[in-house]
Amino acid sequence: SQQGEEDPQALSIQEGENATMNCSYKTSINNLQWYRQNSGRGLVHLILIRSNEREKHSGRLRVTLDTSKKSSSLLITASRAADTASYFCATVETSGSRLTFGEGTQLTVNP
Amino acid sequence: EAGVAQSPRYKIIEKRQSVAFWCNPISGHATLYWYQQILGQGPKLLIQFQNNGVVDDSQLPKDRFSAERLKGVDSTLKIQPAKLEDSAVYLCASSLDRIETQYFGPGTRLLVL
Repeated sequence: SQQGEEDPQALSIQEGENATMNCSYKTSINNLQWYRQNSGRGLVHLILIRSNEREKHSGRLRVTLDTSKKSSSLLITASRAADTASYFCATVETSGSRLTFGEGTQLTVNP
Repeated sequence: EAGVAQSPRYKIIEKRQSVAFWCNPISGHATLYWYQQILGQGPKLLIQFQNNGVVDDSQLPKDRFSAERLKGVDSTLKIQPAKLEDSAVYLCASSLDRIETQYFGPGTRLLVL
Protein backbone atom coordinates (compact mmCIF):
# COMPACT_ATOMS: atom_id res chain seq x y z
CA SER A 1 0.00 0.00 0.00
CA GLN A 2 1.15 3.56 -0.65
CA GLN A 3 2.16 5.46 2.47
CA GLY A 4 2.77 8.91 1.03
CA GLU A 5 0.17 10.97 -0.74
CA GLU A 6 1.32 13.90 -2.81
CA ASP A 7 -0.69 17.01 -3.40
CA PRO A 8 -1.38 18.30 -5.97
CA GLN A 9 -1.41 15.43 -8.47
CA ALA A 10 -0.44 17.87 -11.23
CA LEU A 11 1.02 21.36 -11.21
CA SER A 12 1.67 23.70 -14.14
CA ILE A 13 3.66 26.92 -13.69
CA GLN A 14 5.70 29.42 -15.68
CA GLU A 15 9.47 29.45 -15.74
CA GLY A 16 10.85 31.53 -12.88
CA GLU A 17 7.94 30.83 -10.54
CA ASN A 18 8.22 28.73 -7.40
CA ALA A 19 6.67 25.26 -7.20
CA THR A 20 5.44 23.72 -3.96
CA MET A 21 4.48 20.08 -3.58
CA ASN A 22 3.13 18.49 -0.42
CA CYS A 23 3.31 14.98 0.93
CA SER A 24 1.35 13.39 3.75
CA TYR A 25 2.05 10.02 5.35
CA LYS A 26 0.46 7.80 7.96
CA THR A 27 3.01 6.12 10.23
CA SER A 28 6.08 7.08 12.25
CA ILE A 29 9.09 7.45 10.02
CA ASN A 30 12.86 7.25 10.21
CA ASN A 31 13.31 9.54 7.22
CA LEU A 32 11.50 11.00 4.23
CA GLN A 33 13.02 11.29 0.78
CA TRP A 34 12.11 13.16 -2.39
CA TYR A 35 12.84 11.79 -5.85
CA ARG A 36 12.47 13.16 -9.37
CA GLN A 37 11.61 11.09 -12.43
CA ASN A 38 11.87 12.45 -15.93
CA SER A 39 9.61 10.88 -18.53
CA GLY A 40 10.66 7.34 -19.28
CA ARG A 41 13.71 7.39 -17.03
CA GLY A 42 14.79 6.12 -13.62
CA LEU A 43 14.38 8.01 -10.38
CA VAL A 44 16.92 10.51 -9.16
CA HIS A 45 17.34 11.13 -5.45
CA LEU A 46 16.91 14.79 -4.53
CA ILE A 47 17.05 15.09 -0.78
CA LEU A 48 16.67 13.06 2.43
CA ILE A 49 15.35 14.58 5.64
CA ARG A 50 15.50 12.64 8.90
CA SER A 51 12.71 12.57 11.46
CA ASN A 52 14.64 14.82 13.86
CA GLU A 53 15.17 17.49 11.20
CA ARG A 54 12.67 20.21 10.34
CA GLU A 55 14.13 21.82 7.24
CA LYS A 56 16.79 21.07 4.67
CA HIS A 57 18.15 22.93 1.65
CA SER A 58 19.92 21.76 -1.47
CA GLY A 59 20.51 24.35 -4.18
CA ARG A 60 17.08 25.56 -5.33
CA LEU A 61 15.32 22.90 -3.25
CA ARG A 62 13.88 23.39 0.21
CA VAL A 63 12.26 20.56 2.11
CA THR A 64 10.34 20.86 5.35
CA LEU A 65 9.13 18.09 7.63
CA ASP A 66 6.41 18.34 10.27
CA THR A 67 6.25 15.02 12.11
CA SER A 68 3.35 16.19 14.29
CA LYS A 69 1.24 16.67 11.17
CA LYS A 70 2.90 13.78 9.31
CA SER A 71 3.57 16.00 6.34
CA SER A 72 6.40 17.33 4.22
CA SER A 73 6.72 19.91 1.50
CA LEU A 74 9.15 20.36 -1.37
CA LEU A 75 9.75 23.87 -2.66
CA ILE A 76 11.56 24.46 -5.94
CA THR A 77 12.52 28.11 -6.35
CA ALA A 78 13.03 29.93 -9.64
CA SER A 79 11.82 26.95 -11.64
CA ARG A 80 13.23 26.05 -15.05
CA ALA A 81 11.78 24.12 -17.98
CA ALA A 82 14.27 21.35 -17.12
CA ASP A 83 12.48 20.88 -13.79
CA THR A 84 9.53 19.37 -15.66
CA ALA A 85 9.19 15.87 -14.20
CA SER A 86 7.28 13.73 -11.73
CA TYR A 87 8.22 14.24 -8.10
CA PHE A 88 7.75 11.49 -5.54
CA CYS A 89 8.00 11.48 -1.79
CA ALA A 90 8.99 8.24 -0.11
CA THR A 91 9.19 7.27 3.53
CA VAL A 92 11.15 4.78 5.58
CA GLU A 93 9.17 3.70 8.62
CA THR A 94 10.78 3.45 12.04
CA SER A 95 9.68 -0.17 12.24
CA GLY A 96 11.51 -1.30 9.11
CA SER A 97 13.66 -0.37 6.16
CA ARG A 98 11.17 -0.45 3.28
CA LEU A 99 10.99 2.73 1.18
CA THR A 100 7.33 3.38 0.36
CA PHE A 101 6.50 5.80 -2.44
CA GLY A 102 3.52 8.03 -3.00
CA GLU A 103 1.72 8.44 -6.31
CA GLY A 104 3.72 11.52 -7.32
CA THR A 105 3.12 15.07 -8.49
CA GLN A 106 3.52 15.83 -12.19
CA LEU A 107 5.20 19.24 -12.50
CA THR A 108 5.19 21.08 -15.81
CA VAL A 109 7.27 24.24 -16.13
CA ASN A 110 6.33 26.25 -19.18
CA PRO A 111 9.07 28.31 -20.88
CA GLU B 1 31.43 6.31 -10.05
CA ALA B 2 29.33 4.05 -12.27
CA GLY B 3 25.61 3.98 -11.57
CA VAL B 4 23.20 1.09 -11.32
CA ALA B 5 23.10 -0.85 -14.57
CA GLN B 6 20.07 -2.73 -15.86
CA SER B 7 19.35 -4.79 -18.92
CA PRO B 8 17.51 -5.11 -21.14
CA ARG B 9 16.02 -1.61 -21.40
CA TYR B 10 12.91 -2.81 -23.22
CA LYS B 11 11.19 -6.17 -23.56
CA ILE B 12 8.03 -7.23 -25.33
CA ILE B 13 6.66 -10.73 -24.68
CA GLU B 14 3.40 -12.59 -24.98
CA LYS B 15 1.43 -13.65 -21.94
CA ARG B 16 2.47 -16.95 -20.40
CA GLN B 17 6.05 -16.48 -21.63
CA SER B 18 8.94 -16.03 -19.22
CA VAL B 19 11.30 -13.08 -18.93
CA ALA B 20 14.37 -12.19 -16.89
CA PHE B 21 15.90 -8.87 -15.93
CA TRP B 22 19.44 -8.22 -14.78
CA CYS B 23 20.82 -5.61 -12.41
CA ASN B 24 24.36 -4.63 -11.44
CA PRO B 25 24.39 -2.33 -8.40
CA ILE B 26 26.88 0.36 -7.49
CA SER B 27 30.10 -1.21 -6.27
CA GLY B 28 30.15 -1.65 -2.51
CA HIS B 29 26.41 -1.25 -2.02
CA ALA B 30 25.16 -3.95 0.32
CA THR B 31 21.45 -3.44 -0.25
CA LEU B 32 19.69 -4.09 -3.55
CA TYR B 33 16.04 -3.50 -4.39
CA TRP B 34 13.65 -4.42 -7.18
CA TYR B 35 10.60 -2.21 -7.75
CA GLN B 36 7.62 -2.46 -10.06
CA GLN B 37 6.24 0.83 -11.40
CA ILE B 38 2.93 0.69 -13.21
CA LEU B 39 2.16 3.65 -15.48
CA GLY B 40 0.89 6.62 -13.50
CA GLN B 41 1.83 5.17 -10.11
CA GLY B 42 4.75 5.32 -7.74
CA PRO B 43 7.22 2.45 -7.56
CA LYS B 44 6.27 -0.52 -5.40
CA LEU B 45 8.93 -2.60 -3.69
CA LEU B 46 9.01 -6.22 -4.84
CA ILE B 47 12.06 -7.51 -3.00
CA GLN B 48 14.98 -6.21 -0.96
CA PHE B 49 18.31 -7.97 -0.51
CA GLN B 50 20.94 -7.31 2.13
CA ASN B 51 24.13 -8.74 0.63
CA ASN B 52 22.79 -12.04 -0.74
CA GLY B 53 20.02 -12.55 1.80
CA VAL B 54 16.37 -11.56 1.37
CA VAL B 55 15.21 -8.85 3.81
CA ASP B 56 11.72 -8.15 2.49
CA ASP B 57 9.80 -10.03 -0.19
CA SER B 58 6.33 -9.60 1.27
CA GLN B 59 5.04 -7.84 -1.88
CA LEU B 60 6.57 -10.26 -4.38
CA PRO B 61 3.99 -12.46 -6.18
CA LYS B 62 5.91 -15.62 -5.45
CA ASP B 63 3.75 -17.85 -7.63
CA ARG B 64 5.24 -16.20 -10.70
CA PHE B 65 8.08 -13.90 -9.64
CA SER B 66 11.48 -14.98 -8.37
CA ALA B 67 14.71 -13.14 -7.70
CA GLU B 68 18.21 -13.99 -6.64
CA ARG B 69 21.38 -12.14 -5.79
CA LEU B 70 24.34 -14.43 -6.20
CA LYS B 71 27.54 -13.56 -4.32
CA GLY B 72 25.89 -10.42 -3.01
CA VAL B 73 26.49 -8.41 -6.19
CA ASP B 74 24.44 -8.83 -9.39
CA SER B 75 20.80 -9.76 -9.25
CA THR B 76 18.20 -11.23 -11.59
CA LEU B 77 14.42 -10.92 -11.43
CA LYS B 78 12.34 -13.49 -13.31
CA ILE B 79 8.68 -13.64 -14.22
CA GLN B 80 7.24 -17.01 -15.23
CA PRO B 81 4.61 -17.08 -16.61
CA ALA B 82 3.92 -13.43 -17.42
CA LYS B 83 0.45 -11.91 -17.25
CA LEU B 84 -0.92 -8.82 -18.98
CA GLU B 85 -0.93 -6.94 -15.66
CA ASP B 86 2.83 -7.40 -15.35
CA SER B 87 3.32 -4.69 -17.98
CA ALA B 88 5.31 -2.07 -16.10
CA VAL B 89 8.75 -0.60 -15.61
CA TYR B 90 10.99 -2.72 -13.38
CA LEU B 91 13.47 -0.62 -11.47
CA CYS B 92 16.56 -1.81 -9.67
CA ALA B 93 18.14 0.31 -6.94
CA SER B 94 21.01 -0.03 -4.51
CA SER B 95 22.16 1.66 -1.33
CA LEU B 96 25.14 1.48 0.99
CA ASP B 97 22.93 0.06 3.68
CA ARG B 98 19.30 -0.20 4.66
CA ILE B 99 17.31 3.08 5.12
CA GLU B 100 19.94 5.12 3.34
CA THR B 101 19.65 6.93 0.02
CA GLN B 102 18.77 4.62 -2.85
CA TYR B 103 20.27 5.01 -6.32
CA PHE B 104 18.12 3.82 -9.19
CA GLY B 105 18.96 2.30 -12.53
CA PRO B 106 17.23 3.35 -15.77
CA GLY B 107 14.69 0.55 -15.54
CA THR B 108 13.41 -2.15 -17.87
CA ARG B 109 10.15 -1.38 -19.62
CA LEU B 110 8.13 -4.60 -20.02
CA LEU B 111 5.13 -4.95 -22.27
CA VAL B 112 3.11 -8.15 -22.06
CA LEU B 113 0.79 -8.75 -25.03
